[in-house]
Amino acid sequence: DAKTTQPTSMDCAEGRAANLPCNHSTISGNEYVYWYRQIHSQGPQYIIHGLKNNETNEMASLIITEDRKSSTLILPHATLRDTAVYYCIVNFGNEKLTFGTGTRLTIIP
Amino acid sequence: DTGVSQNPRHKITKRGQNVTFRCDPISEHNRLYWYRQTLGQGPEFLTYFQNEAQLEKSRLLSDRFSAERPKGSFSTLEIQRTEQGDSAMYLCASSLLLTGSGNTIYFGEGSWLTVV
Repeated sequence: DAKTTQPTSMDCAEGRAANLPCNHSTISGNEYVYWYRQIHSQGPQYIIHGLKNNETNEMASLIITEDRKSSTLILPHATLRDTAVYYCIVNFGNEKLTFGTGTRLTIIP
Repeated sequence: DTGVSQNPRHKITKRGQNVTFRCDPISEHNRLYWYRQTLGQGPEFLTYFQNEAQLEKSRLLSDRFSAERPKGSFSTLEIQRTEQGDSAMYLCASSLLLTGSGNTIYFGEGSWLTVV
């Protein structure tokens, strides 16, 4: 699996958009970008994944740069319940997930 | 769809005892994964099954650990002669392997083990 680099922590004001960056400069052409989050003491929650195109679902949007070397997860209107550790993972799509240390996102009231 | 179910959610055991965790995956999911997570760390892969076949085991899975998925449905993870270092959250996950669309893996809420 390609390695990813994420900031250790970020803060975001409640109601604002939270933009979480991820660098994956060694990603190969058929590796997907996955995002999961983990709220304290719970199992990881799937958020979204994409290959080349930007993706949007009811939880978030995923923006992947054209060269695919980085991506941004966007939570459009952050709430206090979005406080969690967010993991960016690249994967061929048929393998186990390998978690790094993620970004600890804190939503500030 | 009831999601991935894990039991028990919490277990306190004395050092040296055996413990078993059960995982019921999402219906019809053919892949099932086990992970371990200690405080402050991300989940670490232990093993996974495709149907009843155990396809990969991590070096973290010592001889005291054994996982089974006898009929390709539920799975059990047994830890024999528990040690204090086994204290962690044990996570189960499942997925339906599809080609061409990326394999979405769904996690359960985890089983907390405390060895005293």
